Amino acid sequence: GESVGLHLPTLSVQEGDNSIINCAYSNSASDYFIWYKQESGKGPQFIIDIRSNMDKRQGQRVTVLLNKTVKHLSLQIAATQPGDSAVYFCAEFSGWRSNFGNEKLTFGTGTRLTIIP
Amino acid sequence: DGGITQSPKYLFRKEGQNVTLSCEQNLNHDAMYWYRQDPGQGLRLIYYSQIVNDFQKGDIAEGYSVSREKKESFPLTVTSAQKNPTAFYLCASSIDRAGYYGYTFGSGTRLTVV
Repeated sequence: GESVGLHLPTLSVQEGDNSIINCAYSNSASDYFIWYKQESGKGPQFIIDIRSNMDKRQGQRVTVLLNKTVKHLSLQIAATQPGDSAVYFCAEFSGWRSNFGNEKLTFGTGTRLTIIP
Repeated sequence: DGGITQSPKYLFRKEGQNVTLSCEQNLNHDAMYWYRQDPGQGLRLIYYSQIVNDFQKGDIAEGYSVSREKKESFPLTVTSAQKNPTAFYLCASSIDRAGYYGYTFGSGTRLTVV
């Protein structure tokens, strides 16, 4: 079945440096992707999303890149701060158009990002 | 402020007991979802409901039950049939039935079997 996975379970970055979190997906029919941030003991929070008709989308200090050819998604965080320490999940929207009524987000395992002061 | 509220934040269950986790949203969202989160395993879908009085099993529905009598509420009951219920439970909602604009999550309930 389809799966959404992450290349690295943990990532440590020096404060002020840029970080890149990667995500691979296997469902080539997926056309919507979301990055969530989850701090310890809290629910995931939306960071940024991207539709499959785009290759890149920028937010405040964050950029998401989508490479449909290799089914790869990445989240770039610029000038990392201590508050960026969290687990980051990518999510893939599956089922759209091909099976209406069965759509849902599929989440990856997550990458724990630690910012080193 | 609009949002999605889960209660309680911490819950302890004795062996053989049923417990109910509350999830309420005032976002006027159509769909609601329950996820279970275990360390290192990401989020796994338990049940979801796209409209009132209807719900569907997710990937790990065994040992759980839900109801959707009101649009705002989607309680989850963890029954005694769930053999390993200790986990972090997350409720979410989406503005449309398909979830095509993403989900809003609650702050979670941590359930521990004692």
